[in-house]
Amino acid sequence: DTGVSQDPRHKITKRGQNVTFRCDPISEHNRLYWYRQTLGQGPEFLTYFQNEAQLEKSRLLSDRFSAERPKGSFSTLEIQRTEQGDSAMYLCASSPSGQVVEQYFGPGTRLTVT
Amino acid sequence: GNSVTQMEGPVTLSEEAFLTINCTYTATGYPSLFWYVQYPGEGLQLLLKATKADDKGSNKGFEATYRKETTSFHLEKGSVQVSDSAVYFCALFPSSASKIIFGSGTRLSIRP
Repeated sequence: DTGVSQDPRHKITKRGQNVTFRCDPISEHNRLYWYRQTLGQGPEFLTYFQNEAQLEKSRLLSDRFSAERPKGSFSTLEIQRTEQGDSAMYLCASSPSGQVVEQYFGPGTRLTVT
Repeated sequence: GNSVTQMEGPVTLSEEAFLTINCTYTATGYPSLFWYVQYPGEGLQLLLKATKADDKGSNKGFEATYRKETTSFHLEKGSVQVSDSAVYFCALFPSSASKIIFGSGTRLSIRP
């Protein structure tokens, strides 16, 4: 297994368009996380899945954002009606179950909204 | 609430210099503490971790000790190399949550 993968790596879109990102976690990991990282800042938590169930969502995740993990494997993060403030790096991470476990991060999708 | 405060960068050192990057935290309960590293063009990687007070995490010559009395987890390395140039993030995993809380990152540049 080669780790967490994300697609696309870069996305440029115009304000008002919808975008969708995909994350493929490490195959045996049942937990999947989305974070957002803006320039010069650390990643901020967006949402978390255990298998297909979305267990926690941050207040950062406005109504324009939706995440799914339909079969408990890959996940998608959709942003509707993008705004310039959505420009950021979107990071996906996965981990096995357990009390304190390492989260393995993907390379991220860099979104630029023009 | 839970938060992490780390030394602002950028930090520029010469090769073989001693490195310290300060990190303090605020948390309820007994969090686990991490240092993550982000090399240019790559994803975040766990560098080291400590899960309880007085634990020392170590990896690749880096060390950090979980100090509950000072709520600190400072990163140290005795002799840095050019290949250590990266952004370093201090982070905590609260005992009652699933998400990691990151500091703002410290950019480290090492001159040959």
